[in-house]
Amino acid sequence: DAKTTQPTSMDCAEGRAANLPCNHSTISGNEYVYWYRQIHSQGPQYIIHGLKNNETNEMASLIITEDRKSSTLILPHATLRDTAVYYCIVRSAGGTSYGKLTFGQGTILTVHP
Amino acid sequence: EAGVVQSPRYKIIEKKQPVAFWCNPISGHNTLYWYLQNLGQGPELLIRYENEEAVDDSQLPKDRFSAERLKGVDSTLKIQPAELGDSAVYLCASSLGGTGLTDTQYFGPGTRLTVL
Repeated sequence: DAKTTQPTSMDCAEGRAANLPCNHSTISGNEYVYWYRQIHSQGPQYIIHGLKNNETNEMASLIITEDRKSSTLILPHATLRDTAVYYCIVRSAGGTSYGKLTFGQGTILTVHP
Repeated sequence: EAGVVQSPRYKIIEKKQPVAFWCNPISGHNTLYWYLQNLGQGPELLIRYENEEAVDDSQLPKDRFSAERLKGVDSTLKIQPAELGDSAVYLCASSLGGTGLTDTQYFGPGTRLTVL
């Protein structure tokens, strides 16, 4: 399984964009990058995923570099409710581990007033 | 549309007692997952079901843990007997399944187990 590296923690001011980086230098050609977040005492919440093109939905944007070795999750206008642990995951694409999500430590994002 | 439902939300038991967790996936989702999350860590996969079949249970401690999904819908995870180290959050997730390269998992709220 491709591993990901994320900063342990980040801060962001309310109303500003939060840019969360992730390195996944060993990603394979058919493996997707997924982002989840987990607010205290809740289950992980799906945010967005992508293969090689940039993606945007109502929650966030995902920017994947051309070589696919890193990506950035962008929350365009962070609110206090976006304070959570954000997980960047490379979804396994084959064998018995097909579809497996391997969670790392994630990034603790704190949005402050 | 209802999300993944789990019960109970909280459970406190004494060590050596049995415990069971129940999960009802999103309607129409064929794949079901059980994860374990220790405090301060990310979730770790215990078992994955495709319909009734457990297709990946390599991380399930089979000496005390068992799981079933008899009719390919809801599922039960059991621990017997529970140990102090089993205190954690047990998460259930589901996805549509299939062989596509993208198959998003949706998580339930989890069951927080405390073993005394």
